[in-house]
Amino acid sequence: EDKVVQSPLSLVVHEGDTVTLNCSYEVTNFRSLLWYKQEKKAPTFLFMLTSSGIEKKSGRLSSILDKKELFSILNITATQTGDSAVYLCAVGSGGSNYKLTFGKGTLLTVNP
Amino acid sequence: EPEVTQTPSHQVTQMGQEVILRCVPISNHLYFYWYRQILGQKVEFLVSFYNNEISEKSEIFDDQFSVERPDGSNFTLKIRSTKLEDSAMYFCASSAAGQGDSYEQYFGPGTRLTVT
Repeated sequence: EDKVVQSPLSLVVHEGDTVTLNCSYEVTNFRSLLWYKQEKKAPTFLFMLTSSGIEKKSGRLSSILDKKELFSILNITATQTGDSAVYLCAVGSGGSNYKLTFGKGTLLTVNP
Repeated sequence: EPEVTQTPSHQVTQMGQEVILRCVPISNHLYFYWYRQILGQKVEFLVSFYNNEISEKSEIFDDQFSVERPDGSNFTLKIRSTKLEDSAMYFCASSAAGQGDSYEQYFGPGTRLTVT
């Protein structure tokens, strides 16, 4: 059974702090790893990673994948209260039939 | 920016009733998905759909569930006889590709289904 494990499950920081969120996985036929931000409803796409060692960056957010050790990290620097959300890691797998397996998420709370 | 839309945002139904959840995927996307998230739990894959047929379905997607693309824009999830445990947020997603490429999936805002 495909498995995606995120840690920590929750995190409380102050504005300006840097955070690192972790995602490890065990899936058959790995295709990609995706990070989403979920505030109230829909998961909002952040990054998709398919190759090891190549950092993806968008503003204060960055992410990297290690396909040998089967994990990814999501870094957020200079956190703001607007970063408060659940961050979801999902792994895309399958041959011709592609699906996402999600972790439980990390609840990030950024206090002013 | 194109987005996935879903209607209704909230549906309340009685146990045993049929419900249809509607989605309009992003217009040039070819692959469509339904996921659900029971309150406090993980997002779970239900079904993927391509070229007017189901590509893959999970164990959750039993005979009570069906999907359809009735026209060029809508994608629907039908639950024939709802049970209390079907209460969840149902997300529709779409991607530009699924076979051979790992295109990202974009999610709609969800339909909150409450079965009483």
